[in-house]
Amino acid sequence: EAEVAQSPRYKITEKSQAVAFWCDPISGHATLYWYRQILGQGPELLVQFQDESVVDDSQLPKDRFSAERLKGVDSTLKIQPAELGDSAMYLCASSIGTVNTEAFFGQGTRLTVV
Amino acid sequence: GDSVTQMEGPVTLSEEAFLTINCTYTATGYPSLFWYVQYPGEGLQLLLKATKADDKGSNKGFEATYRKETTSFHLEKGSVQVSDSAVYFCALSDAGGGSQGNLIFGKGTKLSVKP
Repeated sequence: EAEVAQSPRYKITEKSQAVAFWCDPISGHATLYWYRQILGQGPELLVQFQDESVVDDSQLPKDRFSAERLKGVDSTLKIQPAELGDSAMYLCASSIGTVNTEAFFGQGTRLTVV
Repeated sequence: GDSVTQMEGPVTLSEEAFLTINCTYTATGYPSLFWYVQYPGEGLQLLLKATKADDKGSNKGFEATYRKETTSFHLEKGSVQVSDSAVYFCALSDAGGGSQGNLIFGKGTKLSVKP
């Protein structure tokens, strides 16, 4: 069964350092999402791609976060510099389209900033 | 903007008890509704969905009916098992509501089932 792949599963970094997460969506899925989930809360959208284009990054803290999906397939989310408040689970998801279709999630990257 | 409100947890039940987790939503368009489940340390898995009013989604003994008149999508299961212990998220996707169709989640309800 096709899955959304994410790496690493866990990451510990010191504040002010740079950190990057990688996501490989299900083959053929044009839409890719990055969500952030703070412990005890629901996921919140950071950025949404349609193929290689960003269609929603209104909640992305652009002073420190960046995301790219250069060839419209896999994607990288970067934080520089990391802050203590960035500690969270970062979830990648993909879907075939954007009109009320279900999203499939990866296992996530658990980031701890110390 | 669109939002989802679900009942506060944690919910603790004995095995074979009846489960209800309430979920209500606010949306400007005609959303699709979802329940996702998250096991400890894992990502989210789709449990069930409904795309229009009066649709019933069902999977693994769980059911939820899309009620437009009450803007609700309550999750139910007749007899829970220990293996159902997880966090359950209600979500909506509303491409006509000014967003790009991304999922908007509730805060989650933690369910613990005791033997």
